[in-house]
Amino acid sequence: GQQLNQSPQSMFIQEGEDVSMNCTSSSIFNTWLWYKQDPGEGPVLLIALYKAGELTSNGRLTAQFGITRKDSFLNISASIPSDVGIYFCAGHFPNRDDKIIFGKGTRLHILP
Amino acid sequence: DVKVTQSSRYLVKRTGEKVFLECVQDMDHENMFWYRQDPGLGLRLIYFSYDVKMKEKGDIPEGYSVSREKKERFSLILESASTNQTSMYLCASSLLGQTQETQYFGPGTRLLVL
Repeated sequence: GQQLNQSPQSMFIQEGEDVSMNCTSSSIFNTWLWYKQDPGEGPVLLIALYKAGELTSNGRLTAQFGITRKDSFLNISASIPSDVGIYFCAGHFPNRDDKIIFGKGTRLHILP
Repeated sequence: DVKVTQSSRYLVKRTGEKVFLECVQDMDHENMFWYRQDPGLGLRLIYFSYDVKMKEKGDIPEGYSVSREKKERFSLILESASTNQTSMYLCASSLLGQTQETQYFGPGTRLLVL
């Protein structure tokens, strides 16, 4: 079946560093979504991408929809303590009703 | 502002009890979803619904049922709770249609079955 691989699984970085994480799919997606989940809370949508090649920013966050439609990345610049959490990518396959597939998440830790 | 609420943040139940998890959204979304989240397994879809009184099985429906009597409310039911159903349960909703797959999540219900 369809697979969505997200990497890395976890990251330990210093405050102020830039962060990069990505997701790859075995099939073509027509939508990529990036969510962040704080401890004990539900995921919150950060960025939605609907077109191949699309590059979208939300404050210090930037995400791109890969031109092959099989990958996406999320960058966080100048990380701050509140960036700690789990970041999930998610995608929607064409003609696959309205369900989406989630990656297993990247857990971000920020060292003081 | 989009809003998805879940009836409880934390629940403790005993094995064999019937458990109801309620989810309400105020965005007039057609689609509603129930997921469970477990360490190392990510989010797994249990059931979803495209419309009132409609339901579709997700990837792990065994041991669960759902009810959608009103558009804004989607209930997850554990007929006889078991310890392997201890998990974080997340509800989500989205608009119907291929260009509107963005799902909005509730805060989650952390269920412990003893």
